[in-house]
Amino acid sequence: AQSVSQHNHHVILSEAASLELGCNYSYGGTVNLFWYVQYPGQHLQLLLKYFSGDPLVKGIKGFEAEFIKSKFSFNLRKPSVQWSDTAEYFCAARGSTLGRLYFGRGTQLTVWP
Amino acid sequence: GAVVSQHPSWVICKSGTSVKIECRSLDFQATTMFWYRQFPKQSLMLMATSNEGSKATYEQGVEKDKFLINHASLTLSTLTVTSAHPEDSSFYICSARDPGGASSYNEQFFGPGTRLTVL
Repeated sequence: AQSVSQHNHHVILSEAASLELGCNYSYGGTVNLFWYVQYPGQHLQLLLKYFSGDPLVKGIKGFEAEFIKSKFSFNLRKPSVQWSDTAEYFCAARGSTLGRLYFGRGTQLTVWP
Repeated sequence: GAVVSQHPSWVICKSGTSVKIECRSLDFQATTMFWYRQFPKQSLMLMATSNEGSKATYEQGVEKDKFLINHASLTLSTLTVTSAHPEDSSFYICSARDPGGASSYNEQFFGPGTRLTVL
């Protein structure tokens, strides 16, 4: 079965610091990858997604992620975080466009002003 | 993006009662909806996949007689927690898959969640 691992459970940064959140998946075939964000009290929102093509994917709010097939990784990055980026971030994967999503356990990001 | 609503946003009930949670896709038709449960500081756990007009597919360990799912129309799925107990207290989230056009890649859109507290 597929699984998604997020190794950073809680990340604390100061504003303007750079961010990288790790995500690894276990699946040998074609995979669709996603990063979702959940702001306090709000629903999950899609940050970015990868299906095929350019492995460097740009999303909303200045986030990007790089798909490295050889490492089964899809790390999320942002060069300069803001206080408003404080939220829970979830990595997810699915094996096909009709498949179910498998979520990582999430990473709580806290940004101090 | 497409919008998914849930009602109610929070509910408090007594042990032994049943609670119904609605999930609606507001601007698209969803042949497939998903129900998740989220515990504090933990990930979303898929409970079941709901297909319009057919029986839901439950994940291993989820009691189908306790968590009744009905997907009677292309815009509405309901989750009924029957004979709720305190251990059923949790955050329940639905999502709906938008088949849309080729560019949507069957993206899932999430509802805002329903906080259930069973006393």
